[in-house]
Amino acid sequence: DVKVTQSSRYLVKRTGEKVFLECVQDMDHENMFWYRQDPGLGLRLIYFSYDVKMKEKGDIPEGYSVSREKKERFSLILESASTNQTSMYLCASRSGPRVVEQFFGPGTRLTVL
Amino acid sequence: GDSVTQMEGPVTLSEEAFLTINCTYTATGYPSLFWYVQYPGEGLQLLLKATKADDKGSNKGFEATYRKETTSFHLEKGSVQVSDSAVYFCALSAGDYKLSFGAGTTVTVRA
Repeated sequence: DVKVTQSSRYLVKRTGEKVFLECVQDMDHENMFWYRQDPGLGLRLIYFSYDVKMKEKGDIPEGYSVSREKKERFSLILESASTNQTSMYLCASRSGPRVVEQFFGPGTRLTVL
Repeated sequence: GDSVTQMEGPVTLSEEAFLTINCTYTATGYPSLFWYVQYPGEGLQLLLKATKADDKGSNKGFEATYRKETTSFHLEKGSVQVSDSAVYFCALSAGDYKLSFGAGTTVTVRA
């Protein structure tokens, strides 16, 4: 079974802090994704990585950056956290560009005070 | 752009009731369609999918048929259980990587 893990289930940070959310997948997948999930809005894509050191902006990249130094790990970075970034963050991976199904991690619920 | 509209919740049902969650989409080309489920405290899991018109996806007693003429992919289950309580997301993929999600429908099944 594909396993996607996220470093924290719950995280509380203060406004202005730099925040790192980590995601690791164990199936040698090429593509990885970061989404945020908000009530009534569904999931919105923040960033996408199609290979190591490659990244592409999604629909809502403002205030976020990403890093993918190794194939299995994809990090989401909030350079200076703000209260409007309080949300559930979901990481996903898929084996390659011709495969549609994505596998999701359990999510990190981030609260910014 | 591509988009998905699904019925708003929350939906509350009794055990063994019939469940329908409506989903319609707008897309260029011929998208693949999905239903994902998120159980409490967990990430999303793929429930079922359909890749072309008139395909029927099914899993765990749930079904959905890809209707191109009505641009719909409604989710149905004939007899729900308490364990079906979850948030259900309709989604489409019309490009090489992007999944577009609906807002999600929260379903609560009471014993």
